[in-house]
Amino acid sequence: AQRVTQPEKLLSVFKGAPVELKCNYSYSGSPELFWYVQYSRQRLQLLLRHISRESIKGFTADLNKGETSFHLKKPFAQEEDSAMYYCALSGGGNTGKLIFGQGTTLQVKP
Amino acid sequence: DSGVTQTPKHLITATGQRVTLRCSPRSGDLSVYWYQQSLDQGLQFLIQYYNGEERAKGNILERFSAQQFPDLHSELNLSSLELGDSALYFCASSYSSYNSPLHFGNGTRLTVT
Repeated sequence: AQRVTQPEKLLSVFKGAPVELKCNYSYSGSPELFWYVQYSRQRLQLLLRHISRESIKGFTADLNKGETSFHLKKPFAQEEDSAMYYCALSGGGNTGKLIFGQGTTLQVKP
Repeated sequence: DSGVTQTPKHLITATGQRVTLRCSPRSGDLSVYWYQQSLDQGLQFLIQYYNGEERAKGNILERFSAQQFPDLHSELNLSSLELGDSALYFCASSYSSYNSPLHFGNGTRLTVT
């Protein structure tokens, strides 16, 4: 079964500290993974797509097929990074639906 | 601005009623997706349409239905509303039916009293 697990509901760090938001997935084929960010229950915004291998707002994520993980990292957290972060897996086949994890709230304290 | 437009922004209605949520995808996008976001269930995929045809179905209740029109806008109809249907309903669009990033609208906040 396809599944995305984000084990932490809340991650609280101080400004300037490193951040790692965990994401593990379960998928039988070649996964396509994304990170979305949601500020204050507004619309979800695409943050990263694993095939792009780019860094957005200082965030990076590496797909580790051996550990079935796609953790989101940032070396120095900023207060404006405070938001809800969702890891998502593309459903495969002929559908582009995304399966989302439960989300992790990142709280960056001053 | 993602280019995906959802109306209305807020909707307050009573149990047993029926409502229609509307979504206009980004220009050029052929696929429309509906998601429900509630505090306890997270983001749940409801249904996907591609160029007017249903492409995938998720945890959509029988009381809910959707369609995509020839101009590619989509409507989600919710009937016999229950208190538990109170949630944020997001629409997203993408260019193709698969392997394209989803772009989300601002959502419709439904409150059932």
